[in-house]
Amino acid sequence: GESVGLHLPTLSVQEGDNSIINCAYSNSASDYFIWYKQESGKGPQFIIDIRSNMDKRQGQRVTVLLNKTVKHLSLQIAATQPGDSAVYFCAEKGSARQLTFGSGTQLTVLP
Amino acid sequence: EAGVAQSPRYKIIEKRQSVAFWCNPISGHATLYWYQQILGQGPKLLIQFQNNGVVDDSQLPKDRFSAERLKGVDSTLKIQPAKLEDSAVYLCATASTSGANVLTFGAGSRLTVL
Repeated sequence: GESVGLHLPTLSVQEGDNSIINCAYSNSASDYFIWYKQESGKGPQFIIDIRSNMDKRQGQRVTVLLNKTVKHLSLQIAATQPGDSAVYFCAEKGSARQLTFGSGTQLTVLP
Repeated sequence: EAGVAQSPRYKIIEKRQSVAFWCNPISGHATLYWYQQILGQGPKLLIQFQNNGVVDDSQLPKDRFSAERLKGVDSTLKIQPAKLEDSAVYLCATASTSGANVLTFGAGSRLTVL
């Protein structure tokens, strides 16, 4: 079945540094990937997405990289700010056409 | 535009009691999802509606969970009887169409079953 997993459950970075959050997926047929940010007490919020025909996509301070060879996805946040502290989820859409979420990475930005 | 509204935000009940959650989607969003998010985990899909019809309820524990979207707008999710393992945040998400990839989530309803 489809599954999405993250390498690390927690990540701490210094304010101003870059953050890299990793995600592994198992379904090679997945053709769409998305990153969500979830702050405490709130619902997930869309950050950035990427289709399987791309290997990189950039947004404002965020970049998503997709390596289909090793089925790996990463989210890079430039100049991490205190407001970036949250849980980050990757999700993928495969043959079932439903979003399947990973278990999340807690990002903590240190002053 | 107004976001996805959910209520109640918090609910505490004892096991075997019943509970209902309500969701009001973004205006015009035809597709509505209910997700269950257990503490420390990612959201897990329970049911998907397209207008007032069920598209996928394969992961809904139908012996105790039910959901409806009678007029294709608001939706309710009910649990009866609740079990301890139902303690979770219940998230409603909507999308403009069933093929849309980006879902907009509500803040969720946190359920604690004692």
